[in-house]
Amino acid sequence: QSVLTQPPSVSAAPGQKVTISCSGGSSNIGNNFVSWYRLLPGTAPKLLIYDNTKRPSGIPDRFSGSKSATSATLDITGLQTGDEADYYCGTWDTSLRAGVFGGGTKLTVL
Amino acid sequence: QVQLQESGPGLVKPSQTLSLTCSVSGESITYGTYYWSWIRQLPGKGLEWIGYINNNGRSDYNPSLESRVTISLDMSKNQFSLKLKTVTAADTAVYYCARDPSDEWETDGDVFDIWGHGTMIAVS
Repeated sequence: QSVLTQPPSVSAAPGQKVTISCSGGSSNIGNNFVSWYRLLPGTAPKLLIYDNTKRPSGIPDRFSGSKSATSATLDITGLQTGDEADYYCGTWDTSLRAGVFGGGTKLTVL
Repeated sequence: QVQLQESGPGLVKPSQTLSLTCSVSGESITYGTYYWSWIRQLPGKGLEWIGYINNNGRSDYNPSLESRVTISLDMSKNQFSLKLKTVTAADTAVYYCARDPSDEWETDGDVFDIWGHGTMIAVS
């Protein structure tokens, strides 16, 4: 059971927008910054968003993040078939004294 | 550009010690203030943070694994390593090494900007 809760799967058509949620508590999301990662089997995971809303160099503005209280969201607009992957949120948990992640969300572009 | 590459045995017997190495290329591991980290993905489950070490030798581990984990740095080889003692089938996972630049980026967040491709470790 992951500390952060994500929906197991989301789907949308090419060109559409999808939102992936990440829910936690006051000891993690509520008081720490959130990052988002894309995982594809056999490839190195990719950082998409850090500090809740910031994009590293090279990440297109189709990817955006937000945070409110103890929840965070990742929005992906202009969906492409190449966006099909597993997406994970992560943060620090002050009570557990550990980095924590969500269970991952599988994105299908129909 | 900086790249990370994990290497390990692939298969480990129960009760033995798992040893993994992460080779860093493109930059000296002594440069900057990064936290060199290990993360694993358990089968059908999410990611689990294992721990990190920085180039001052400071390390920190997930309390759930702390009694079995050691992360060390080999500056001469530009590598860092993970040792996990007394493994069981529950330690079967894909193990990733990653770089945490939170001090370099002056962020309070826990962030991993560069990852290796991961190495599958089965305990059987």
